[in-house]
Amino acid sequence: KAGVTQTPRYLIKTRGQQVTLSCSPISGHRSVSWYQQTPGQGLQFLFEYFSETQRNKGNFPGRFSGRQFSNSRSEMNVSTLELGDSALYLCASSFNTQAASYNSPLHFGNGTRLTVT
Amino acid sequence: SQQGEEDPQALSIQEGENATMNCSYKTSINNLQWYRQNSGRGLVHLILIRSNEREKHSGRLRVTLDTSKKSSSLLITASRAADTASYFCVRSSNTGKLIFGQGTTLQVKP
Repeated sequence: KAGVTQTPRYLIKTRGQQVTLSCSPISGHRSVSWYQQTPGQGLQFLFEYFSETQRNKGNFPGRFSGRQFSNSRSEMNVSTLELGDSALYLCASSFNTQAASYNSPLHFGNGTRLTVT
Repeated sequence: SQQGEEDPQALSIQEGENATMNCSYKTSINNLQWYRQNSGRGLVHLILIRSNEREKHSGRLRVTLDTSKKSSSLLITASRAADTASYFCVRSSNTGKLIFGQGTTLQVKP
């Protein structure tokens, strides 16, 4: 079974631009969640999608958005990039079907390393 | 901050020794999970322990949960150089958010 695939692996953007990251979950997983990892703030939850609906959201500004398609693939978009958005963005999928339970393990991709200059 | 504390932040041991990492949190949880992350890569799930469980084992890993003290610990026995990684505890709150600890960086010297 293929794992979680994130593309691209590396990305360099300049301030003010926007970026779209892609995540293909493990086949059969309908829950996809996104995370930002930085040396200063550590790992922070961005949002979770289930069956094309955003089910949970972390404490990030509206510049961070996402969506999920009918095949469970998900994209994350960051608009008006700031230097502080430089981070490793991780996507995870799971069998988690119950909202707010997270009773199934998360399967992570290897992330997209975003550098904003 | 909703993030709990993990300690130690860094741990260096010799191969064959045991490694213990602790995680404390502030709010009630549905479950708690431990993950490992090798440098620059995604997290790998180790163990999930539910709020009504006290201890779980998986191979050389043992996780305990004390909800009265709002703490959990991960014990790795007979450590190997390949165990060198960062270890995170992750709590799911009843508001649907996942809360990560800051992580413990473990170095196992051969």
